[in-house]
Amino acid sequence: AQSVTQLGSHVSVSEGALVLLRCNYSSSVPPYLFWYVQYPNQGLQLLLKYTSAATLVKGINGFEAEFKKSETSFHLTKPSAHMSDAAEYFCAVSDRNNDMRFGAGTRLTVKP
Amino acid sequence: DAGVIQSPRHEVTEMGQEVTLRCKPISGHNSLFWYRQTMMRGLELLIYFNNNVPIDDSGMPEDRFSAKMPNASFSTLKIQPSEPRDSAVYFCASSFAALPYEQYFGPGTRLTVT
Repeated sequence: AQSVTQLGSHVSVSEGALVLLRCNYSSSVPPYLFWYVQYPNQGLQLLLKYTSAATLVKGINGFEAEFKKSETSFHLTKPSAHMSDAAEYFCAVSDRNNDMRFGAGTRLTVKP
Repeated sequence: DAGVIQSPRHEVTEMGQEVTLRCKPISGHNSLFWYRQTMMRGLELLIYFNNNVPIDDSGMPEDRFSAKMPNASFSTLKIQPSEPRDSAVYFCASSFAALPYEQYFGPGTRLTVT
């Protein structure tokens, strides 16, 4: 079965600094990969997805992620953090059987 | 589109009482998922349906939990009897059962059992 590991349950950056949230996946078939964001007291919202087209995927709010098969990674980045980016971020992997597995989440704090 | 709709948004009940959580998936979606989120255990998949049929209920913690999907536009998650350890946020999500299966989440129901 597929799985994802998010390295770092908490990440803190200064406003304007680079955001890097790490995700590594395990899958026996070419995966579909997702990043979701959860703001306080809200449900999860899709940020971006990788579906075997371009390896560099752009999402909402200036986020992007790069699929690296050799490293089994799908890290999420944003060049310049904004206070409004403070939230919890979940990486997820899906196979071809509608079975999606979520990581444990990374809480991003943005310092002024 | 209104998105996934869940009700109630908040539920406070006493131990031993029956609790029913409701979900309306996005129109046209034919897969529905129930998740539970707690600080200790994170996001857990409880059960999911394809075309109203339960496919995997291995995440349902105990017989006290049951879920139904009588039609394509409605699902319920019932806890009977409820216990304080059931306190959590329960999310419903739906997807169209075609690749890449991205899921769309509702706002959640925050359940507190005292």
